[in-house]
Amino acid sequence: AQSVTQPDIHITVSEGASLELRCNYSYGATPYLFWYVQSPGQGLQLLLKYFSGDTLVQGIKGFEAEFKRSQSSFNLRKPSVHWSDAAEYFCAVGARAGGTSYGKLTFGQGTILTVHP
Amino acid sequence: DAGVTQSPTHLIKTRGQQVTLRCSPKSGHDTVSWYQQALGQGPQFIFQYYEEEERQRGNFPDRFSGHQFPNYSSELNVNALLLGDSALYLCASSLLVGIGRTSYNEQFFGPGTRLTVL
Repeated sequence: AQSVTQPDIHITVSEGASLELRCNYSYGATPYLFWYVQSPGQGLQLLLKYFSGDTLVQGIKGFEAEFKRSQSSFNLRKPSVHWSDAAEYFCAVGARAGGTSYGKLTFGQGTILTVHP
Repeated sequence: DAGVTQSPTHLIKTRGQQVTLRCSPKSGHDTVSWYQQALGQGPQFIFQYYEEEERQRGNFPDRFSGHQFPNYSSELNVNALLLGDSALYLCASSLLVGIGRTSYNEQFFGPGTRLTVL
């Protein structure tokens, strides 16, 4: 069964500081990996995704993530955080289409990011 | 192009009642998935509809049922509501992308329906 762990429930950074949000996954094969962001009362917005190929993927809003198969990790990074980045961030693993999976997403519990001015 | 839309935005029900939530997929999408997000938790997969049939189901009781219409829109029905059903219900629509073993249903989420059960 697939699972996702986000070890940090809450992270606080100062505006302009760098950010790294951790994500570890469990999946039987090469996974599809995603980072979503959710602002209060809103739905989920896709930041970036990894399907295959280059293990460093670029996303929107200046975010990037690196897939490390040996560590079963897909950590999200941003070199300089802006106050508008304050939100909740979810890592998710998706099963490949076909077979009995059909792309179901399994999410971590989320990391709340607070940004201090 | 409108994205995924959901209605209503908010809903308050009492225990034992029944509720229906609605979702209109993004234009061109043929698959709808539903997720439940309890407070402080990540979304949990409820089920997925394709070609008007439930194709895959998560670990939710039979009180949760759904429907997909010929225009690909979908409903989520919950019977005999419990306090624990209070959550944000998210709909995601998708379209198969890629080929063969690299194919994937890329999912786009709606804003959700906030259900409160009293």
